Amino acid sequence: QVQLQESGPGLVKPSETLSLTCTVSGGSISSYYWSWIRQPAGKGLEWIGRISSSGSTNYNPSLKSRVTMSVDTSKNQFSLKLSSVTAADTAVYYCARDNGSGWFLYWGQGTLVTVSS
Amino acid sequence: DIQMTQSPSSLSASVGDRVTITCRASQSISTYLNWYQQKPGKAPKLLIYAASSLQSGVPSRFSGSGSGTDFTLTISSLQPEDFATYYCQQSYSTLTWTFGQGTKVEIK
Repeated sequence: QVQLQESGPGLVKPSETLSLTCTVSGGSISSYYWSWIRQPAGKGLEWIGRISSSGSTNYNPSLKSRVTMSVDTSKNQFSLKLSSVTAADTAVYYCARDNGSGWFLYWGQGTLVTVSS
Repeated sequence: DIQMTQSPSSLSASVGDRVTITCRASQSISTYLNWYQQKPGKAPKLLIYAASSLQSGVPSRFSGSGSGTDFTLTISSLQPEDFATYYCQQSYSTLTWTFGQGTKVEIK
């Protein structure tokens, strides 16, 4: 059974860079697309972007200027960096796998990132 | 961006009721529409993909229909474990995938 686990700091200062890693277990990171999705408290879901196992990326245009994703196939991990964060970036961040057709079958449990000084 | 609008935003229903949730896309998305269920503190769970395909393991009381711009998720007989928030998501445009704002199904 494929499992995803997010990790990273739970508190980030305004203007700094949010960094999260998703570790995939129970299956290979190869041959799939891997996304980051976030959800502010009490609000809906926002797709941040995705990366393929070969490293090609698609980013949400609304966040594109601040987002960088990377993949490390040797560690079965992929990562998110979001720069110049503000309080509006406070959210639960999920990593998820899609099969290339855009639906998300496997999700991490989510990690809360708070932006505050 | 393709905007996804769900209605209603919330509804109250009783166990055994038939529940229908609507999702409308701002442009045609063929059948590139997926439905998720989310319970408090949990990650979303895929219910329906490609508008009408039931994900393995999901009870058959859940069904999806529609194409183009108008889609529906139907729960034929609401069960206690179905009280949750439901989201639609379009996967038509890889420039950006978008979710509806959610529909909260509450106990009447």
